[in-house]
Amino acid sequence: EVQLVESGGGLIQPGGSLRLSCAASGFIVSDNYMSWVRQAPGKGLEWVSIIYDGGSTYYADSVEGRFTISRDNSENTLYLQMNSLRAEDTAVYYCVRDFCDSSGYHCAFDIWGQGTMVTVSS
Amino acid sequence: DIQMTQSPSTLSASVGDRVTITCRASQSISHWLAWYQQKPGKAPKLLIYKASSLESGVPSRFSGSGSGTEFTLTIISLQPDDFATYYCQHYNTYPYTFGQGTKLEIK
Repeated sequence: EVQLVESGGGLIQPGGSLRLSCAASGFIVSDNYMSWVRQAPGKGLEWVSIIYDGGSTYYADSVEGRFTISRDNSENTLYLQMNSLRAEDTAVYYCVRDFCDSSGYHCAFDIWGQGTMVTVSS
Repeated sequence: DIQMTQSPSTLSASVGDRVTITCRASQSISHWLAWYQQKPGKAPKLLIYKASSLESGVPSRFSGSGSGTEFTLTIISLQPDDFATYYCQHYNTYPYTFGQGTKLEIK
């Protein structure tokens, strides 16, 4: 079964760091583009970051320089290292698999994890 | 960034009804649009991609149309399981952005 399971969320003080993990099963993370999408409480969805199969990464302006997406091929796991956290980073973070057209330039999100909650508060 | 605007924000309907949700992009996105369904406490689920292609396993009562800047999601013969929040998302260029959501409620 194709599945994504996130972990690592929790309550963290402003300025702190947290690392989210996303364990994949049923497919190979490194063969796919993978992204993180977040949703603040009661709000809409916001794309956060992507890692391409070749390893290149890209970030939303709101997290550029503070968040780092990476993966461990041997563990088939995706990560999101979050530093200098702010109150506005409070959200459920979803790990998603990108579902791309043949060019690889256009990707919807076909597989979603259950999400992990990150709360940034003193 | 491309802005996505959905209407209406809330829609009340009854089982068996046909409903349409509209999504407008602030600039042309060709057909690079997806629709997702989200239920409370759950992750979004992909329904439609490339504006009108039905994701595998999604009931055929869901359909999408449009291109350029205006898109629609139509659900015919609403079922109890369809009451949820629906989001559109463009994937033309980064950053990909989502609409604010349309909550489909039981009348």
